[in-house]
Amino acid sequence: AQKVTQAQTEISVVEKEDVTLDCVYETRDTTYYLFWYKQPPSGELVFLIRRNSFDEQNEISGRYSWNFQKSTSSFNFTITASQVVDSAVYFCALTVLRTGGFKTIFGAGTRLFVKA
Amino acid sequence: NAGVTQTPKFRILKIGQSMTLQCAQDMNHNYMYWYRQDPGMGLKLIYYSVGAGITDKGEVPNGYNVSRSTTEDFPLRLELAAPSQTSVYFCASSYLAGNSGNTIYFGEGSWLTVV
Repeated sequence: AQKVTQAQTEISVVEKEDVTLDCVYETRDTTYYLFWYKQPPSGELVFLIRRNSFDEQNEISGRYSWNFQKSTSSFNFTITASQVVDSAVYFCALTVLRTGGFKTIFGAGTRLFVKA
Repeated sequence: NAGVTQTPKFRILKIGQSMTLQCAQDMNHNYMYWYRQDPGMGLKLIYYSVGAGITDKGEVPNGYNVSRSTTEDFPLRLELAAPSQTSVYFCASSYLAGNSGNTIYFGEGSWLTVV
C-alpha cells in the first residue's frame, strides 16, 4: 500500500526565516512520481513541483528548493527567506501507476504560518 | 486558459436533497477526478475516470455517483445529501504523457454545506 506522511501539522515562522516541510512516502513501486501542492487561504490548489522516481536531483526554483532522497523515502520542501505570502497549507502527494490509470495519495498537509 | 472549471462555487443543501456538481476541463485530459477536503484535512479521492465511459471508485465513494459521457465533463452527483457530506469538493484532471508523470490540475473548489 502507498502512504504519504507529513508529520508536521502546523509550522509557524517569522518572515525571512527558512523553513523545511517534511514528506515521507511509502511504496513498493519502482516507478512513481512525487508532487508538492500549495493551498493558500483562498482555497485553490496550486501545483509546485513534480519529481519522478528516477531523478534524484535536487531542484531549486527561486526561494523554493526540494530535496529528494530515495534512501530515506523523503521529498522535503524548503522555503528560504519565507514571506507572509507563503502562508498556506502544503500537500505532498505520491502517484503510482495501476491497471486502469494512476493512483495518487495525498498527505494530510502542513499548515505554514509566516508572521510579519 | 479556462483549465478545470467547477460549478457552483458555493451551495447550501438541506438533508435529503440532491444536487450535481459540474466539472469541465478544456485541456483534452484523459483522467478526471473528484476529491473532497474536510476542514483541516487532506484530500480524499471520491471517484475517478480514465476516459469517456469509464469511471471507478476512489477511497470514499459512498453517497456519490459520477458519469463521464464526454472527455470534457465529469459531473458528481449527490443523491441524498447528509451532513457528513459538508466539505469542499475539488475536481481535477491530468494528462497521461509517458514518463512525464501525472501532474494533476485542480479546479477552484466547490464549498458545499448540508444542513
